[in-house]
Amino acid sequence: DGGITQSPKYLFRKEGQNVTLSCEQNLNHDAMYWYRQDPGQGLRLIYYSQIVNDFQKGDIAEGYSVSREKKESFPLTVTSAQKNPTAFYLCASSFLEGNTEAFFGQGTRLTVV
Amino acid sequence: DAKTTQPNSMESNEEEPVHLPCNHSTISGTDYIHWYRQLPSQGPEYVIHGLTSNVNNRMASLAIAEDRKSSTLILHRATLRDAAVYYCILRDLDDKIIFGKGTRLHILP
Repeated sequence: DGGITQSPKYLFRKEGQNVTLSCEQNLNHDAMYWYRQDPGQGLRLIYYSQIVNDFQKGDIAEGYSVSREKKESFPLTVTSAQKNPTAFYLCASSFLEGNTEAFFGQGTRLTVV
Repeated sequence: DAKTTQPNSMESNEEEPVHLPCNHSTISGTDYIHWYRQLPSQGPEYVIHGLTSNVNNRMASLAIAEDRKSSTLILHRATLRDAAVYYCILRDLDDKIIFGKGTRLHILP
């Protein structure tokens, strides 16, 4: 079945450590996105990519990094520079056309202690 | 910033219709209007989208104003499982997808 997969579902890390969240899709989508969601809040865009080997910053890119070496994969690294990394992270993918729907993963809940 | 505005929360009784409004006064001619909903601790799921004409699918209906500056998502018969946060977003070709705060829908049994 086609879909978008995030792993792991829950992640715990010590403060000061970098951590990488995985996002894979087999929908042949060109665009992929990373969002952060804090309790009771909406989704905020971290990074997005519309083509392999290219990506753009969203509204809250500081302290995060991404890569897009393959069309299917868009991993997000939460670096030690991110001041408040504990949050729910969501990955999405879509075709580029405006009349197409985006598909979301089930999210990764990151807790930094 | 999000290009849409929605009420923070709404309530509805179970088995009654729900009308969720969205304002998008700066919409461009090529923006599609999309609706997504998010259940607790899950990723958002697509509900419906449209450009100019009203749209129906198995989940909901989308009513778009003639000037396209507002739209309404209609759930014809709300159930407890429809309790979620509903997001209205605009999407154009090659455009990044920006979410606003959405409307938290409470369903009363």
